[in-house]
Amino acid sequence: DQQVKQNSPSLSVQEGRISILNCDYTNSMFDYFLWYKKYPAEGPTFLISISSIKDKNEDGRFTVFLNKSAKHLSLHIVPSQPGDSAVYFCAARANTGTASKLTFGTGTRLQVTL
Amino acid sequence: NAGVTQTPKFQVLKTGQSMTLQCAQDMNHEYMSWYRQDPGMGLRLIHYSVGAGITDQGEVPNGYNVSRSTTEDFPLRLLSAAPSQTSVYFCASSYAGTGAGNTIYFGEGSWLTVV
Repeated sequence: DQQVKQNSPSLSVQEGRISILNCDYTNSMFDYFLWYKKYPAEGPTFLISISSIKDKNEDGRFTVFLNKSAKHLSLHIVPSQPGDSAVYFCAARANTGTASKLTFGTGTRLQVTL
Repeated sequence: NAGVTQTPKFQVLKTGQSMTLQCAQDMNHEYMSWYRQDPGMGLRLIHYSVGAGITDQGEVPNGYNVSRSTTEDFPLRLLSAAPSQTSVYFCASSYAGTGAGNTIYFGEGSWLTVV
């Protein structure tokens, strides 16, 4: 039972355009959502997060939107750069859990082309 | 500026062998955890620890043991390796608490192949 779903395994975007990565979840106990970026042969690195009490969080070129009624969040990257090419994981934490317990999606591989 | 350090980075085991993946963090984090990453399945939690002397099971604990004798170290032991344990293993750590600013840091991963 996949509680966090990333239905697009891959996405290709031209440099300078917007990248939109989507994530859906089923567990209504999730109260905090994170996006991680992963390059090959490296560990995931934290990118941006959002609390369930917000619907938007922005950090430079990265914005995360949360639609609680639809149980959907998205990561927008504007403008996309070649260095953004990586696998992006959506993760969620339940409000009865601890900081160390995250449920991850399966990842979306983003390729930014020149 | 080490952060989370995992060793070894690569390991090949024969079925039935045992081994330990080492994880150390130098950020004085209370929480540490182990995940495995398999194709098409994202990262799944194996075991976690909320402090020295305290461990608990995650989503996929079978075939693995952990201990937390110090705040810095959280080794993962494979008791009798099976081909199904071929995976990439990530250790992670974070401060205590569930505040919105609490970030989880990952090591670079350990690639394990069981033949």
